[in-house]
Parts: sequence; structure tokens; C-alpha cells
Amino acid sequence: EAQVTQNPRYLITVTGKKLTVTCSQNMNHEYMSWYRQDPGLGLRQIYYSMNVEVTDKGDVPEGYKVSRKEKRNFPLILESPSPNQTSLYFCASRGLAGGEDTQYFGPGTRLTVL
Amino acid sequence: RKEVEQDPGPFNVPEGATVAFNCTYSNSASQSFFWYRQDCRKEPKLLMSVYSSGNEDGRFTAQLNRASQYISLLIRDSKLSDSATYLCVVNMRNAGNMLTFGGGTRLMVKP
Repeated sequence: EAQVTQNPRYLITVTGKKLTVTCSQNMNHEYMSWYRQDPGLGLRQIYYSMNVEVTDKGDVPEGYKVSRKEKRNFPLILESPSPNQTSLYFCASRGLAGGEDTQYFGPGTRLTVL
Repeated sequence: RKEVEQDPGPFNVPEGATVAFNCTYSNSASQSFFWYRQDCRKEPKLLMSVYSSGNEDGRFTAQLNRASQYISLLIRDSKLSDSATYLCVVNMRNAGNMLTFGGGTRLMVKP
């Protein structure tokens, strides 16, 4: 079954305490992304990766880091979380082979930074 | 001006009604268009791609008007299970081949 998994699903943390949200896909997709979703602002892309060791900034990259050491994993790192990073985060994996363009989202991570 | 704009709604309709949503996009070079569905507190899922000639999938019809830069989604014979937020998505073929999401239109189908 095509799947994107994220962990943790829920996290409450405090300002400044480094955290990592993991993301993994089993579809052998090259393209992966991280989004945050906030009321009234919709889905905004944080970072994306078009292949292993290739990452680039999306629309709202400040305060985030990512890495892509292997094709299946694309962790999101918050080195020093702040309350304005409280949000719902989605990892996504995108199939672009053979004319397809379908993006699969993970189940989401609800992050609260106190 | 937002790159992809949608009426946030909510659209409250009775079961069996026909409802239509529009979405406008700003970049005339945009190449690919999609509708995603998002249930409350869940991840978005692809509902359908939108082709230049228009396309239909059961009760759902999507259309593209390149001249006016908008896409539409028509839902016939609404079901309670159609209640969700519908996201308009555009691939503007910019650097990074990024997808740009509209803010979503919320649909509530009532018995």
C-alpha cells in the first residue's frame, strides 16, 4: 500500500528545545515536501527535495531545516522552536514518472510550542 | 493578490443538491491543475486532475478555463459524505516544480 508516514503525530514542546519530525515514503518517489497548514493561510510549502542530497527552500523556510540522505526519508528539523511554529505539519511524497503528478500526504503532525 | 484564490465558504447545501466551486490562479504559465479533498484534521487527498478538455469522474466534473484563468469543480447529487474542504492546486511550473494550494472551500452537506 502506498504510504507516507510521519512521527510523532502530536507533540507539545517548549521554546528552544530542538525537535525532529520524521517522514518516510514507500513509493520510491524522488520528490518530497514539507508543508505547514494554518487557519486562514492554507497549506504553505516549507522545504522540498527533488532527489537525494538535493533540497531547496519553499515559501516559508525560516526556522526549519531538512535533510535527504536517503530516498525514502525526509526529516524536518526545528533547531530552536518558537511559538509561531505551532501548526499542523504535513509531509508529502510526489510521483512524477510517466506523466503522473500525484502528491500523497502523510497523516500530519500537530505541533504546539509553548 | 494570492496566487491561487478560492471562496472559503462554507457552502451549506441539502443532500441531492448540485454545487459548484471556482478557483482563480494568477500565473498564466501554469500547466497542471488539481482538486484535492481534505477532511477535518486529516491529510489532503487527490480528488481529480483537471484537464484542458474538462473531465468527469462519477458525480464530479472539473473544468479549466485558461483564458480567464480559473478552474471549477461541480458536484452533482451531493452526499453527506461529500462534506469536506476542497483545495484547488496549481502547478505553476516555476523553479522546483512546486504545487501551490488555494486556501480551500468548505462544503457542508445537510440531510
